[in-house]
Amino acid sequence: GDSVTQMEGPVTLSEEAFLTINCTYTATGYPSLFWYVQYPGEGLQLLLKATKADDKGSNKGFEATYRKETTSFHLEKGSVQVSDSAVYFCARSNAGGTSYGKLTFGQGTILTVHP
Amino acid sequence: NAGVTQTPKFRILKIGQSMTLQCAQDMNHNYMYWYRQDPGMGLKLIYYSVGAGITDKGEVPNGYNVSRSTTEDFPLRLELAAPSQTSVYFCASTQGWEQFFGPGTRLTVL
Repeated sequence: GDSVTQMEGPVTLSEEAFLTINCTYTATGYPSLFWYVQYPGEGLQLLLKATKADDKGSNKGFEATYRKETTSFHLEKGSVQVSDSAVYFCARSNAGGTSYGKLTFGQGTILTVHP
Repeated sequence: NAGVTQTPKFRILKIGQSMTLQCAQDMNHNYMYWYRQDPGMGLKLIYYSVGAGITDKGEVPNGYNVSRSTTEDFPLRLELAAPSQTSVYFCASTQGWEQFFGPGTRLTVL
């Protein structure tokens, strides 16, 4: 079935450090891929997306490239800020014609950025 | 637009009690979802709906029920609460590929 695997966390970085959070997905169908972010005490919100192979999603300095050959969608940011501290979720759309907008989420990665 | 709203924000239940978690959206979305979020486990889909009067089970439906009498509202009912239902519950809606989430309800069953 559909699944998403994220790197084990949590991740702790100093401000201005480079961030990578790994994400791989099962290759069933032609999924769209997403990164969602959850700030403390809030619901999830979409950070970026990519809908086909080789697409690059970007937002707020974060980037992720849809790699079909490695079934990966790793999240990167060149210089993190304290305000980026949050939980990050990788997700894929479900396969099949009756997916009804459903998503499969990874387990989430907690990012803490220290000044 | 208020987006997706959920009530209550917090609730403590005793084992065997029942309650309804409310969810409403004002974006005229057809698709709505209920998730539970357990620590380190990501989000698991409980139930979803593709329109008023149409609901279906997700990955973890046992112990829950839903209804969808209007496009706007999608309440989640817990009957006979159990400690295993202690979790954070999120409602979401979509009309395309981006799901919009409510702020969540933190439920503790003691």
